[in-house]
Amino acid sequence: ETGVTQSPTHLIKTRGQQVTLRCSSQSGHNTVSWYQQALGQGPQFIFQYYREEENGRGNFPPRFSGLQFPNYSSELNVNALELDDSALYLCASSLGQGAGELFFGEGSRLTVL
Amino acid sequence: GQQLNQSPQSMFIQEGEDVSMNCTSSSIFNTWLWYKQDPGEGPVLLIALYKAGELTSNGRLTAQFGITRKDSFLNISASIPSDVGIYFCAGQKSNGNKLVFGAGTILRVKS
Repeated sequence: ETGVTQSPTHLIKTRGQQVTLRCSSQSGHNTVSWYQQALGQGPQFIFQYYREEENGRGNFPPRFSGLQFPNYSSELNVNALELDDSALYLCASSLGQGAGELFFGEGSRLTVL
Repeated sequence: GQQLNQSPQSMFIQEGEDVSMNCTSSSIFNTWLWYKQDPGEGPVLLIALYKAGELTSNGRLTAQFGITRKDSFLNISASIPSDVGIYFCAGQKSNGNKLVFGAGTILRVKS
């Protein structure tokens, strides 16, 4: 158990819809990163939030957006869902701005039909 | 896309055997980490390496940070059925705030 919790664990959406995924970081961790893991691949960096501001972004379009709250929890929002957005979305918490040692939650499995 | 080349892609070994897997890159990383992922779960950190040439153990697991900073190795000794899963290497650059992951090595253990 890493202490990182994500919700929902599974969800199904249709193309064009919007989705919000949530993450509570490990106690004492002030940084949250989001990763997308497609089937059979390693996680791909989406973005990181530190002190409520985006602190680096991977190669994902603007329809992927996020928030971090004062208690360090975070949301990932995806608009205009596409079929290729189907994946496991992983939240990871850490201490400090650098990636350092990331502690992952169990993920939210998104299926887009 | 992935910048780390991880091999082998999969392994099917007998319980009790030792396992070796590696990760290579065309660029330098300042930190190497090894994670294990079980089905339906997130990756779990096994070992973190911070210095070129460093050799670190965690129980039956031993990992090394390559001297060129472009590779890392993970060895598992005397494998047991619960070692089954997908092993990922990940690297972080000096000024980076993200981890770059390999595609994973699938380990199956025959008891």
